[in-house]
Amino acid sequence: TQLLEQSPQFLSIQEGENLTVYCNSSSVFSSLQWYRQEPGEGPVLLVTVVTGGEVKKLKRLTFQFGDARKDSSLHITAAQPGDTGLYLCAGEYNNDMRFGAGTRLTVKP
Amino acid sequence: KAGVTQTPRYLIKTRGQQVTLSCSPISGHRSVSWYQQTPGQGLQFLFEYFSETQRNKGNFPGRFSGRQFSNSRSEMNVSTLELGDSALYLCASSLWTRTAQNEQFFGPGTRLTVL
Repeated sequence: TQLLEQSPQFLSIQEGENLTVYCNSSSVFSSLQWYRQEPGEGPVLLVTVVTGGEVKKLKRLTFQFGDARKDSSLHITAAQPGDTGLYLCAGEYNNDMRFGAGTRLTVKP
Repeated sequence: KAGVTQTPRYLIKTRGQQVTLSCSPISGHRSVSWYQQTPGQGLQFLFEYFSETQRNKGNFPGRFSGRQFSNSRSEMNVSTLELGDSALYLCASSLWTRTAQNEQFFGPGTRLTVL
């Protein structure tokens, strides 16, 4: 089993819709990161959250770290085809970085 | 500045063979980490090298090994290949050791197919 569970595994939506993807664990993390990976590329860091309850915004993307630092969410407003990709969360746990399996998002024009 | 480069990009091998993958980190980065990515398991950490020393190792069999050279370039080797070793192998470099405070920059990966 994964230390970080991401849901949904797959998501296909139309351009302009809003969406939220989740990253959950039963363990506490000192920080959590979100990455986006496009086909044929490696993951690219989007954001790092370190404080429980922290909210960070990156244009149309809103990231939230749970109060107990066990979970995180990524909300995308008015999704665009350019948002298509694999969204990975990664948590720092016992001085190690652990990754979830990812949510594969497809935004159709 | 140039990003992380990995060679080769694609590789096809047969069971029992061995393979060596190469990673050149961003100039000045001293840490190189290797990951295996598969659809079912996601990104799994293989090992991290920092200043030519293996600093950390994931839960993989001894068939998976690596090394880092004095110029921070790194290689990983997989011996006695199995079908289950088919995956995308990603390399990531960072200025310092692999923590959330030190951003990791990933290469495009080497797609290994074992027949």
